[in-house]
Amino acid sequence: QVQLQESGPGLVKPSETLSLTCTVSGASFSYNYWTWIRQPPGKGLEWLGYIYNGGSTNYNPSLKSRVTISVDTSKNQLSLNLSSVTAADTAVYFCAKGGYPSFWGQGTLVSVSS
Amino acid sequence: EIVLTQSPGTLSLSPGERATLSCRASQSVSSSYLAWYHQKPGQAPRLLIYATSRRATGIPDRFSGSGSGTDFTLTISRLEPEDFAVYYCQQYDNSPWTFGQGTKVDIK
Repeated sequence: QVQLQESGPGLVKPSETLSLTCTVSGASFSYNYWTWIRQPPGKGLEWLGYIYNGGSTNYNPSLKSRVTISVDTSKNQLSLNLSSVTAADTAVYFCAKGGYPSFWGQGTLVSVSS
Repeated sequence: EIVLTQSPGTLSLSPGERATLSCRASQSVSSSYLAWYHQKPGQAPRLLIYATSRRATGIPDRFSGSGSGTDFTLTISRLEPEDFAVYYCQQYDNSPWTFGQGTKVDIK
């Protein structure tokens, strides 16, 4: 059974880097899309980007090159880094498997505040 | 960027009624790359439909999807109590992949 679990700090200061990990069990990073999606409180879903087959990445240009997605196959972890954060980056962050994800983490709330 | 516009914003219906949700794209989307999800408060979205009309694993047949080009529809034939939620469409045809803003289906 595929399971995903996000982890990371719940509070990040403005201008710093938001770093999250997603621990994956029951699936391989090979030949799969692994996606990060976020949802500001009370709002809709925003696709941040994906990594495919452990290496090829595609990011939402709205994030203006602030985002990096990577995998660590030795730890079965997917990572998200978002630099130069502002209050607008406050959201629940989800990791998910697939381009049209059928498996999601439960999400983790990250607040940006000083 | 393909903008997906969902309508109506809110749909107030009773259990047992039929729900019809619309998703309109700002440019043509391949029918192979349009999905629907629902989301309940405090939970992650759940995939219902992919490739416009294919039900995801474990999704009951009261959910059906249709459409092509720029107009897509999700139909719930008879609403069950667990179906009251927010519904999102998503295109994964052109980058950046995008979601609609959501349709809330609530109890009348």
